[in-house]
Amino acid sequence: EADIYQTPRYLVIGTGKKITLECSQTMGHDKMYWYQQDPGMELHLIHYSYGVNSTEKGDLSSESTVSRIRTEHFPLTLESARPSHTSQYLCASSEEGQWSYGYTFGSGTRLTVV
Amino acid sequence: AQKITQTQPGMFVQEKEAVTLDCTYDTSDQSYGLFWYKQPSSGEMIFLIYQGSYDEQNATEGRYSLNFQKARKSANLVISASQLGDSAMYFCAMREGLLNTDKLIFGTGTRLQVFP
Repeated sequence: EADIYQTPRYLVIGTGKKITLECSQTMGHDKMYWYQQDPGMELHLIHYSYGVNSTEKGDLSSESTVSRIRTEHFPLTLESARPSHTSQYLCASSEEGQWSYGYTFGSGTRLTVV
Repeated sequence: AQKITQTQPGMFVQEKEAVTLDCTYDTSDQSYGLFWYKQPSSGEMIFLIYQGSYDEQNATEGRYSLNFQKARKSANLVISASQLGDSAMYFCAMREGLLNTDKLIFGTGTRLQVFP
């Protein structure tokens, strides 16, 4: 049973539309992350948060933005979608000090911009 | 410089045989963690096994074991008695310690295909 939820699972949207990818976790984790992954390729960190009102950009530059108003919620927004944004977006969370547990990942959102 | 290197884009193994997936890493931290994740075609990331830099024994989880060679900076995943359901992408990842922010960095992955 997943403790971190991503919606939608699949999304096909036209160029120029604004979209928000939802990510919620029920574990009370302070740390949350967004990764972008092209099919069959490595995961790239695009945003992370270490708690409420804390957001940082990751190693891969992204035109998306994130917010962290509540501990359990970490949505990602694209103001104007483009075909280059077509990818899978994976949300993850982790607990402070519990390294051996790694990250818990959501099921991902597969975004296609046409 | 790439921090996690997986040199095998694809591997084939026959059912019930063992297979080793290679991973080397680069860090100047003394404290770090190494992880392996499995990603089936459905896309979710499944945590398999963890090895801490101070752990003296190799980690094992059921059919998965991690061959940790600290001096060589390698953390190879060994899957024993392969099953058809093991066919997936496998990612090696590292989480660095006190000198760096707490981020999980991934390698490029290895696609494992198990055949009957």
